[in-house]
Amino acid sequence: EVQLVESGGDLVQPGGSLRLSCAASGFTFSSYWMYWVRQVPGKGLVWVSHINPDGSSISYEDSVKGRFTISRDNAKNTLYLQMSSLRAEDTAVYYCVKGTLWGQGTLVTVSS
Amino acid sequence: DIVMTQSPDSLAVSLGERATINCKSSQSVLSSSSNRNYLAWYQQKPGQSPKLLIYGASTRESGVPDRFSGSGSGTDFTLTISSLQAEDVAFYYCHQYYSNPVTFGGGTKVEIK
Repeated sequence: EVQLVESGGDLVQPGGSLRLSCAASGFTFSSYWMYWVRQVPGKGLVWVSHINPDGSSISYEDSVKGRFTISRDNAKNTLYLQMSSLRAEDTAVYYCVKGTLWGQGTLVTVSS
Repeated sequence: DIVMTQSPDSLAVSLGERATINCKSSQSVLSSSSNRNYLAWYQQKPGQSPKLLIYGASTRESGVPDRFSGSGSGTDFTLTISSLQAEDVAFYYCHQYYSNPVTFGGGTKVEIK
């Protein structure tokens, strides 16, 4: 089955760190651009970051630059998002996306 | 970045009536090489992830009821629900995946009148 499954979301204090993972299956993961998209509860969808198939091209939304790092392990069919210096405004559901295929999302809550 | 402008922000339609949502992109999302529009529509209900309804501007995803249809090309697109059902109450988003970064419309809330 073609699917994306995120994990790693949690409650974390401001200034803390968290790593999200996205396990891909059912397609050739190493051939596709991959994306992280987030959604603040009650708000719209916002692109966070993307990475090309071999990891050589990466981009970030301005508010997360210098704090978030996207990476991938093509041998493990897994996408990552390392988040540090987390802020309250990073609270959101984070989705892993390939084209029009979405995971179920993982909730990150930044609060003291 | 391609800006996606969706309208209206909300829409109240009687059961069985037509609902129409518009999406305009600031640049064309039509690929000249493939002649495909890289435009998708999603439905999102509370607590759920976005569900793909339409891709390529007009191709219905498998399992999506045929009351949902997409049209348009280039920069102007429309999602139509031909006969609104109670289970269609949701938010709807357009999404361009033609160029990076991918971008989304602001969403349209569809309710029953």
